[in-house]
Amino acid sequence: ELKVEQNPLFLSMQEGKNYTIYCNYSTTSDRLYWYRQDPGKSLESLFVLLSNGAVKQEGRLMASLDTKARLSTLHITAAVHDLSATYFCAVNTDKLIFGTGTRLQVFP
Amino acid sequence: GAGVSQSPSNKVTEKGKDVELRCDPISGHTALYWYRQRLGQGLEFLIYFQGNSAPDKSGLPSDRFSAERTGESVSTLTIQRTQQEDSAVYLCASSPGAVSYNEQFFGPGTRLTVL
Repeated sequence: ELKVEQNPLFLSMQEGKNYTIYCNYSTTSDRLYWYRQDPGKSLESLFVLLSNGAVKQEGRLMASLDTKARLSTLHITAAVHDLSATYFCAVNTDKLIFGTGTRLQVFP
Repeated sequence: GAGVSQSPSNKVTEKGKDVELRCDPISGHTALYWYRQRLGQGLEFLIYFQGNSAPDKSGLPSDRFSAERTGESVSTLTIQRTQQEDSAVYLCASSPGAVSYNEQFFGPGTRLTVL
């Protein structure tokens, strides 16, 4: 059974700081997604990573995928308050299996 | 273009009642998924429709849960004899084509509260 684990589960960080969220999964897959969810809202797609070594960047967020290590990272650079949300990774085999989510709070 | 829509946005029901939740996927998307998200939790896969193939029902938690899809359009998730543990947000997503790595687009969800 595919398991997807994220850490940390909760992250409180100061504006301007950098941090990385980790997503580990338990079985072979070369397709990984990152989503953002604001409180009371649905999921917004951030990144689709389709191959080993894939790196994508959008603004202050950068995602990477290492299929050999079964690891994806979401790096936050110089955090701002608007990035406060819950971030989910999801691994696709024949269905999407979601991680537990990382709740990010950015404070001044 | 229009995204995935769901109705109702909120539903409050009494324990033991049946509820129907509706999902309208993005036009042309052949794949449709239902997920459940309990408060503060991640997403739990429920069921997956792909075109005219038999649905993958492996995530349905009990026989009180069922879902139907009319062709490649609207889907209805039905929960019979609701229990308080069914309280959650039910999210629908759709994706284009038969290739499983296609990105999923999510609807706004239906928040179900069972009293």
